[in-house]
Amino acid sequence: QKEVEQNSGPLSVPEGAIASLNCTYSDRGSQSFFWYRQYSGKSPELIMFIYSNGDKEDGRFTAQLNKASQYVSLLIRDSQPSDSATYLCAVKTSYDKVIFGPGTSLSVIP
Amino acid sequence: KAGVTQTPRYLIKTRGQQVTLSCSPISGHRSVSWYQQTPGQGLQFLFEYFSETQRNKGNFPGRFSGRQFSNSRSEMNVSTLELGDSALYLCASSLVPPSGGAQDTQYFGPGTRLTVL
Repeated sequence: QKEVEQNSGPLSVPEGAIASLNCTYSDRGSQSFFWYRQYSGKSPELIMFIYSNGDKEDGRFTAQLNKASQYVSLLIRDSQPSDSATYLCAVKTSYDKVIFGPGTSLSVIP
Repeated sequence: KAGVTQTPRYLIKTRGQQVTLSCSPISGHRSVSWYQQTPGQGLQFLFEYFSETQRNKGNFPGRFSGRQFSNSRSEMNVSTLELGDSALYLCASSLVPPSGGAQDTQYFGPGTRLTVL
């Protein structure tokens, strides 16, 4: 079992729809969770972090964390073509390493 | 505040050579991590430095090494290059090493694209 797993993708949504990106992790003691966006040919950029159970909202983005289920998700409301990118889930584990998932490619269709 | 900088941005080497990549973290950040990104393997953790000490290391051969200087700048070295070392090498800095909470947030540099021929 991989330490951090994400939807295999690619995920296609129409413009204006909600995009839902999922991530599961294996280390139950993991403490901090991050979502990064990476455009083709660019380095990852932080979208948001979350470390408490529940929802965290930032503009059109909402991160949801459920530690009991070892699950973290990212919702993008009113998706725009500029949101087309690869989304990386990262988890800070109990053994002090930040592990990245393989990423989910999102395509927003105008 | 300036972001993370990496030099050089692009590098072409041949098998058997060695290479040194440099990373300057965001001012005030003391933790620097290095990652290798390839299409097949995704983002793989190489190592992390804090206060000139290696705190964590990923599952890479000993040909990959690094160090951190007193000003928090970091270098990584790859010796005896192999074709499979072709990748984007990313450096990320954070205030402190992963300890829980917002301070864990890592900010990435633009990367160094290494091509081994």
